[in-house]
Amino acid sequence: AQRVTQPEKLLSVFKGAPVELKCNYSYSGSPELFWYVQYSRQRLQLLLRHISRESIKGFTADLNKGETSFHLKKPFAQEEDSAMYYCALSDQAAGNKLTFGGGTRVLVKP
Amino acid sequence: EPEVTQTPSHQVTQMGQEVILRCVPISNHLYFYWYRQILGQKVEFLVSFYNNEISEKSEIFDDQFSVERPDGSNFTLKIRSTKLEDSAMYFCAIPKGWGRGYTFGSGTRLTVV
Repeated sequence: AQRVTQPEKLLSVFKGAPVELKCNYSYSGSPELFWYVQYSRQRLQLLLRHISRESIKGFTADLNKGETSFHLKKPFAQEEDSAMYYCALSDQAAGNKLTFGGGTRVLVKP
Repeated sequence: EPEVTQTPSHQVTQMGQEVILRCVPISNHLYFYWYRQILGQKVEFLVSFYNNEISEKSEIFDDQFSVERPDGSNFTLKIRSTKLEDSAMYFCAIPKGWGRGYTFGSGTRLTVV
């Protein structure tokens, strides 16, 4: 069965500092991975998808199949980045349902 | 990006009562999902719905749960006899296309007392 692990429940950084959110997965097939962000009292929003290799709001994430990781990085954190971040894997063999990690709360201090 | 609206935004119900959570309006989507998030815990898959039938459900989605598409556009999640542990945020979601992720609804916070 697929599993997504986010080892850090809370990351606290100062504004302008780099931030890296770890995500590891286990999946027998070819993974389709996403990062979702949830700002306070708002809905889950798609931040990044591995297939597009894009940078959104300064965030990037690289899929490393050897290490089964999809870590999220930003070189210079901003206060507006404070939110919950969820790594998710889409199971193509099961109707593309999403399996989420436990989430990492990012707090960017001024 | 298609808008996915859920109603109500917050519902308080007594244990044992039935609740119906709605996703409106959605058009031209065959695939549809429900997820829930208990406070402080991860987002969990409940059920996927394709072309008016359940395509997959999790172990959470027991006989107390049901999904419908009553009028061709709205999707509903019904809990027949709520329990305290059903208290959570419930999200509906629609796929945006292969490899493009999902659009999530605004969520319904269900509080069972």
